[in-house]
Amino acid sequence: DSGVTQTPKHLITATGQRVTLRCSPRSGDLSVYWYQQSLDQGLQFLIQYYNGEERAKGNILERFSAQQFPDLHSELNLSSLELGDSALYFCASSPRTSGRSSTDTQYFGPGTRLTVL
Amino acid sequence: GNSVTQMEGPVTLSEEAFLTINCTYTATGYPSLFWYVQYPGEGLQLLLKATKADDKGSNKGFEATYRKETTSFHLEKGSVQVSDSAVYFCALSTGANSKLTFGKGITLSVRP
Repeated sequence: DSGVTQTPKHLITATGQRVTLRCSPRSGDLSVYWYQQSLDQGLQFLIQYYNGEERAKGNILERFSAQQFPDLHSELNLSSLELGDSALYFCASSPRTSGRSSTDTQYFGPGTRLTVL
Repeated sequence: GNSVTQMEGPVTLSEEAFLTINCTYTATGYPSLFWYVQYPGEGLQLLLKATKADDKGSNKGFEATYRKETTSFHLEKGSVQVSDSAVYFCALSTGANSKLTFGKGITLSVRP
């Protein structure tokens, strides 16, 4: 158990809908990362937050957005869903105080499996 | 940009066989290198890491050495077990934002 929790574990929805995925980082970790794992794209970085502020963006679609709240949990919002958004979405957290070190270990949650029908 | 290339899979071995999984990278600056493992139905777990050239990461009998001259970080284990069956990802992190760039992953199956 990494200490990172994600809810829900599974989500099934229809095209055009909007969903929210939730992540609670390990106690004391200030950085939260979101990744998407799909069969065709592999594991791709979406976005990073550090202590409530957006720190880095990757291949995140404009239909997707995220935020990190004062209690450090994070939510990933996916809207106008398409079939191709079906994937496993991982959240990870890291302990470094600065949020800017490449040596940090990221601890991954169990993921949310999103199926868009 | 940064990229990680892993050998094509899947790999099937008998128990107690020697394992090598190749990983090479392209990166700007001086990356940190990681191996993550994903067991069926679970999230990714850090297996080992190395943060500078010639460092060797090791854990649970697995080892990998950061080779700057060949831009490689190959994973090895002397004697695999059935419980090592999983998907293995090589990854790197550089620069200010420390995001991970992953290889495609390789599935390892170990037969009794």
